[in-house]
Amino acid sequence: GAGVSQSPRYKVAKRGQDVALRCDPISGHVSLFWYQQALGQGPEFLTYFQNEAQLDKSGLPSDRFFAERPEGSVSTLKIQRTQQEDSAVYLCASSSFGPSGTEAFFGQGTRLTVV
Amino acid sequence: ILNVEQSPQSLHVQEGDSTNFTCSFPSSNFYALHWYRWETAKSPEALFVMTLNGDEKKKGRISATLNTKEGYSYLYIKGSQPEDSATYLCALATSGTYKYIFGTGTRLKVLA
Repeated sequence: GAGVSQSPRYKVAKRGQDVALRCDPISGHVSLFWYQQALGQGPEFLTYFQNEAQLDKSGLPSDRFFAERPEGSVSTLKIQRTQQEDSAVYLCASSSFGPSGTEAFFGQGTRLTVV
Repeated sequence: ILNVEQSPQSLHVQEGDSTNFTCSFPSSNFYALHWYRWETAKSPEALFVMTLNGDEKKKGRISATLNTKEGYSYLYIKGSQPEDSATYLCALATSGTYKYIFGTGTRLKVLA
């Protein structure tokens, strides 16, 4: 596709359930980012991939969060044993180069609600 | 910890009014400042990437300025229209890093 695609668009999970969020970046984009946006806040950095290498996972809030991009294209963000505080919009973005002066293209996000 | 601040948090204007909002950021290690427009249920859309002190950029009725020495950028909308209603986010990129540090956004509502 022409843009960044995320699925599902909406996810309701029961507390304690595991979830997996998918991101299809723009074809050929080297860099891929995951951000978390809680209600009333700006997007907060979670993790960054350059191709298949996860260069920074410092923003992942706990060890229940895990991200992968095994072939350097599609990425999955997995949250284990979801908690209510995990409720947020999860945004994925990709860009063609590493340096952050380059425009990043965002997906529509996945809105996760943990009940 | 880098802190990017946006003001106001929200804004209601009448159709036809011009408006502006502010993004403030630490000026050290500046690399680029991005502006995004985010409509509900859509992807954030890039408006501008600004890199040089004194930059002014324009896209239709929307323009932006950048002052890297004092650490602020202004976004202006001339003759606001209901379709301009969205959250406007700024994001700071610093030298030697790939992260974007986002502000909390300004939520604009243009009333017809």
